[in-house]
Amino acid sequence: NAGVTQTPKFRILKIGQSMTLQCTQDMNHNYMYWYRQDPGMGLKLIYYSVGAGITDKGEVPNGYNVSRSTTEDFPLRLELAAPSQTSVYFCASSYRGQTEAFFGQGTRLTVV
Amino acid sequence: AQSVTQLGSHVSVSEGALVLLRCNYSSSVPPYLFWYVQYPNQGLQLLLKYTTGATLVKGINGFEAEFKKSETSFHLTKPSAHMSDAAEYFCAVSLSDYKLSFGAGTTVTVRA
Repeated sequence: NAGVTQTPKFRILKIGQSMTLQCTQDMNHNYMYWYRQDPGMGLKLIYYSVGAGITDKGEVPNGYNVSRSTTEDFPLRLELAAPSQTSVYFCASSYRGQTEAFFGQGTRLTVV
Repeated sequence: AQSVTQLGSHVSVSEGALVLLRCNYSSSVPPYLFWYVQYPNQGLQLLLKYTTGATLVKGINGFEAEFKKSETSFHLTKPSAHMSDAAEYFCAVSLSDYKLSFGAGTTVTVRA
């Protein structure tokens, strides 16, 4: 059972570069989320989606963009990478809000 | 607004001793409450959740938590720690239909 799959697992970016973090889920979940995790800060919501074609900002959306063209995929785009975006990024999905969220293994991003 | 406070960023226990992780939330309405565990270099997985009904909730790996509305708390306990319990634990709260707000996390170390 694949669940939530994130790629890549690790990436080093130079300041000003762009990249897309990929996330796909095979559970037919409507809700998908992107979080970033920084030491001692817990997880902060970047963007979320309640279904294909619908996305909205979370707590810390600046510097990121998302799209949701299919139920399965929810890519996160970083434009003009900055050192402040060095973090571990987690994608998650749930059947609906307030139910269990299933997390991917994470992407560790370093911006230098 | 909702927030989650986890008391103590690090907890060290002896193998076989009680594990107690504290979580308090602020909310004007009853929330949905969750505890997640994160093992090194992995994503988060659900330990247990409280939605409605019985206030004492049992989860995986021998953990349980009690929802106390009067104290706005949802503390996590395990009677006897095992070495495999070494991990980071996150309390999370959901009020709205789509967002989970996470505490800063508590790292548990188990001494032999």
